[in-house]
Order: sequence, then C-alpha cells, then structure tokens
Amino acid sequence: EIVLTQSPGTLSLSPGEIATLSCRASQSVSSGYVAWYQQKPGQAPRLLIHDAASRATGIPDRFSGSGSGTDFTLTISRLEPEDFAVYYCQQYGPSPWTFGQGTKVEIK
Amino acid sequence: EVQLVQSGAEVKEPGESLRISCKGSGYSFTSYWISWVRQMPGKGLEWMGRIDPSDSRTTYSPSFQGHVTFSADKSTTTAYLQWSSLKTSDTAMYFCASVNFDYWGQGTLVTVSS
Repeated sequence: EIVLTQSPGTLSLSPGEIATLSCRASQSVSSGYVAWYQQKPGQAPRLLIHDAASRATGIPDRFSGSGSGTDFTLTISRLEPEDFAVYYCQQYGPSPWTFGQGTKVEIK
Repeated sequence: EVQLVQSGAEVKEPGESLRISCKGSGYSFTSYWISWVRQMPGKGLEWMGRIDPSDSRTTYSPSFQGHVTFSADKSTTTAYLQWSSLKTSDTAMYFCASVNFDYWGQGTLVTVSS
C-alpha cells in the first residue's frame, strides 16, 4: 500500500498569499496518478487537480499541481477567502488507492 | 446535470445490519466506477474500495475487506454499501464518488451506538 504523507499539517496564511502544499508518497506513483481535493466543513470533497497537474472542470487557474514519482505539490497562487479549507492528496495508481492525512489552510 | 444522491442518515445499534445507497443520474452509470470513502468524525478521508457498475466487479481496500459489501443495480442506477454486523467504530460519514472522483454524493452519516 502506498502511504501518502502531507505537509505541513496546518498552514496559517493571509488572503493574497501563496500556499504551497506537499504530498510525499512512500513509493513512486505510476503515471502521476495523483489528485488533490478541497474539503470545507460539512461538505463533500471537491476535485481540484487530477493526473498530478490537470485542473478539474471549473477550477480557477490559481490552483496548480506539479510533481512526479514520489513528490507532488499543490500551489494556490493568491489565496482567496473561500480557499481556506482542508486539502487532501490521493493516489490512484496501484490498489488500494489511498489519501494523505490532509493539510488545513487557515486564516492567519 | 450529473448527480449522486445518497440515502439519509442512519442510527443503528451494534450488531445490526445496514445498507445505504447512492443513486447516480445525468451520466452513463455503467461507464464509471463508483468508489466509497469513509470519513470518521474529525478525521481524514479513507478509500474503502470501488465497484464497476457494468459488471459489479469489486475491489476492496484491505482495511475494509470482509466487513463491508458493495453492490450495484444497473436498472435503477444505484450503488449500495452494506454491513451485516455494525460496530461502534463504523460511526462515520460515508461518501460515494464517481466519474473519476469529479462527482461526489452529499454523504450519509451512520451512527452506531448502544
């Protein structure tokens, strides 16, 4: 099973700042099969990025994904008030698919 | 419009059985796997496994294998998650997701308590 470790656990930032979230896999994720999700309290997760770097439909271009192998990054270029939430990475290469433990982006 | 609509909240006692549902609409139900995801109170997301609605072939995460059962009914475009004997540790929100995780149900809260 591939274990995903996200860092930091919590990111305290102000609106307008850049957020950089890390996701490290315990082994290489084939074909960059990594996704990123945003979850707000009381809501279902929302797909932001798939295939490591492709934005999902309707996702603003301030969200970008990068990485390959074992190291992946989600960058939010200019934090908007609605971006403060919990973010999860997921790998969907070899089964079982797995999620990271999440990074909370909170208002500083 | 693609929608996944899940059944309502449930309160059960340990040892009871339960089946919750996830009805898909607005897309080709048999073309995309449906995954089930658990979120325990205050915790992160856990992938439980998936079902291929076209042939009901299932893949379970080892953490859930043997404790839950997935099924799907093509005629009603509905997927199901079932327990035969609930435990208090099954208390959680359960989400279904499909179309490559681009669409999610609203979640079903399952509470197991004596």
